[in-house]
Amino acid sequence: DAKTTQPPSMDCAEGRAANLPCNHSTISGNEYVYWYRQIHSQGPQYIIHGLKNNETNEMASLIITEDRKSSTLILPHATLRDTAVYYCIVRVAISSGSARQLTFGSGTQLTVLP
Amino acid sequence: DTGVSQNPRHKITKRGQNVTFRCDPISEHNRLYWYRQTLGQGPEFLTYFQNEAQLEKSRLLSDRFSAERPKGSFSTLEIQRTEQGDSAMYLCASSFGTGGYNEQFFGPGTRLTVL
Repeated sequence: DAKTTQPPSMDCAEGRAANLPCNHSTISGNEYVYWYRQIHSQGPQYIIHGLKNNETNEMASLIITEDRKSSTLILPHATLRDTAVYYCIVRVAISSGSARQLTFGSGTQLTVLP
Repeated sequence: DTGVSQNPRHKITKRGQNVTFRCDPISEHNRLYWYRQTLGQGPEFLTYFQNEAQLEKSRLLSDRFSAERPKGSFSTLEIQRTEQGDSAMYLCASSFGTGGYNEQFFGPGTRLTVL
């Protein structure tokens, strides 16, 4: 799986958009970008994933650059409950023996400030 | 509650003792994963089951660790002769699928402290 690089921490004002960047310059054509988050003392929670098109769901939007070497997770109106560590993960989606587990990095600690 | 549950939530033990953790996945999920997370780090994969078959084990899973998933339902993770370095959060996740991407649902974890 391709390695990802994320800033260790970010702050965001409550009610504003939080834009979390992720670099994955070695991503392969069959690798997806996934985002999970982990609120303190809880297990990770799936947010969104995408291959090359921008994606949106009820939690967030995922913007992937045309060359797919970087992406941005956008929380449109951050709340205090969005304070968490956000993990960007790149992995293949096609089923294969060792491809099913998630490989987490250190993530970005997002702190939403009142 | 239909999410992934883990028991106990906290375990304190003395070095050299054996401990066992239990994970109850979401009922229809055929895939089950164990991860370990130390302070300030992201979760690290330990092992993976599809139904009752253990298909993948990480190099982190030393011979003191054993995991089972009898009948493809709940799973247990046992650590024998615990060491202080085993202190961590042990996370269980489950998913459903026969191929391709499958979203993993995580439990709240079991925090192990080895004194």
